[in-house]
Amino acid sequence: RKEVEQDPGPFNVPEGATVAFNCTYSNSASQSFFWYRQDCRKEPKLLMSVYSSGNEDGRFTAQLNRASQYISLLIRDSKLSDSATYLCVVKGGGADGLTFGKGTHLIIQP
Amino acid sequence: DTGVSQNPRHKITKRGQNVTFRCDPISEHNRLYWYRQTLGQGPEFLTYFQNEAQLEKSRLLSDRFSAERPKGSFSTLEIQRTEQGDSAMYLCASSPSGRPGEQFFGPGTRLTVL
Repeated sequence: RKEVEQDPGPFNVPEGATVAFNCTYSNSASQSFFWYRQDCRKEPKLLMSVYSSGNEDGRFTAQLNRASQYISLLIRDSKLSDSATYLCVVKGGGADGLTFGKGTHLIIQP
Repeated sequence: DTGVSQNPRHKITKRGQNVTFRCDPISEHNRLYWYRQTLGQGPEFLTYFQNEAQLEKSRLLSDRFSAERPKGSFSTLEIQRTEQGDSAMYLCASSPSGRPGEQFFGPGTRLTVL
């Protein structure tokens, strides 16, 4: 079983729609959770941390379910500029390096 | 530009040759990480430094790979006797003390082994 699993997509979504991605992680000792964004041929960039109580940053909402080992990202009112690959990232279990999922490819269509 | 920088951006080499990449982290960051990314995959952790100490190495880091951060500033990653399977994007990241999950990535070095 992969440590972090995501649906690779692509998700084709019309501009203005709401889209949600999920990911699951296998290491129950994981301590910190993040979503990173990676544009084509660019480096990953931190989008947001994910907290147990859930957190929101503008149009983006992240949720964590430790019991089910499940992380989600919701994007509301999607923009063309949201087109990218979204990487689910887990840290912990004694390790300091980040464990990345393969990413979910999102395409926002006009 | 005060971000993470990496050199060279591209490297083409023949199988069996040695290559070395350099990473300059954000100056106030004491943690530095190396990752490898291949097409369609997320980055895979290779190793990390806190200041000049190499504190963790992934099992992906074979004995042909070595990394250094001699003065706690820039870092180098050397691959000896390159193989075609080493072809990948090599990413460097740095993070501030106390926030290891908030990593800032450089643009990467794309290695092609012929």
